Amino acid sequence: QVQLQESGPGLVKPSQTLSLTCTVSGGSISSGSYYWSWIRQPAGKGLEWIGRIYTSGSTNYNPSLKSRVTISVDTSKNQFSLKLSSVTAADTAVYYCARESVVPAAKGVNWFDPWGQGTLVTVSS
Amino acid sequence: SSELTQDPAVSVALGQTVRITCQGDSLRSYYASWYQQKPGQAPVLVIYGKNNRPSGIPDRFSGSSSGNTASLTITGAQAEDEADYYCNSRDSSGNHLNVFGTGTKVTVL
Repeated sequence: QVQLQESGPGLVKPSQTLSLTCTVSGGSISSGSYYWSWIRQPAGKGLEWIGRIYTSGSTNYNPSLKSRVTISVDTSKNQFSLKLSSVTAADTAVYYCARESVVPAAKGVNWFDPWGQGTLVTVSS
Repeated sequence: SSELTQDPAVSVALGQTVRITCQGDSLRSYYASWYQQKPGQAPVLVIYGKNNRPSGIPDRFSGSSSGNTASLTITGAQAEDEADYYCNSRDSSGNHLNVFGTGTKVTVL
């Protein structure tokens, strides 16, 4: 089955850019009508959706982060990536990647499955 | 984007039934999906759509929806169901954004 794995630096300095990659295994990132999302969770707090990309390259971002976020996809490597610029301590969190399924209907439905195991990114000097 | 509101915490006696609710305007137009998260672990999908369970999720988990409220019910709660639960749906902006609920800590007594 499809599995996702996040990778990237665990420590980023304030004002710098956080960069993470999610590698998809067990299936092609281009197959099916899926979106590929990033989600984060500060310690002891809830989940926050960061944004998504479709394999066509179209993206949607959380308005609260939109000015600092870029999500890209590399279908040749079966990966998608997150860049978050100008980070502060408030960006310290566990970052997850996840596959999103969407079923358009009179009453729409979407869900995230599977998820990566998550990677802790600490913003500190 | 819209908000999804959950009760911060609920408790349930072993073997009894607990309902977790999620309220938000977007739920009038979109079904919620529900995630279970245990300490130190990634969230796991337990319910999506009208009332669909992924493979491997016990049938004691069920979902329902009415108006602006989605509910996750655990019928016959087990000790291993103690976890944080989050709802999620598209928001109501029409911009295909996602929003998570505030989360509910379920304690099994």
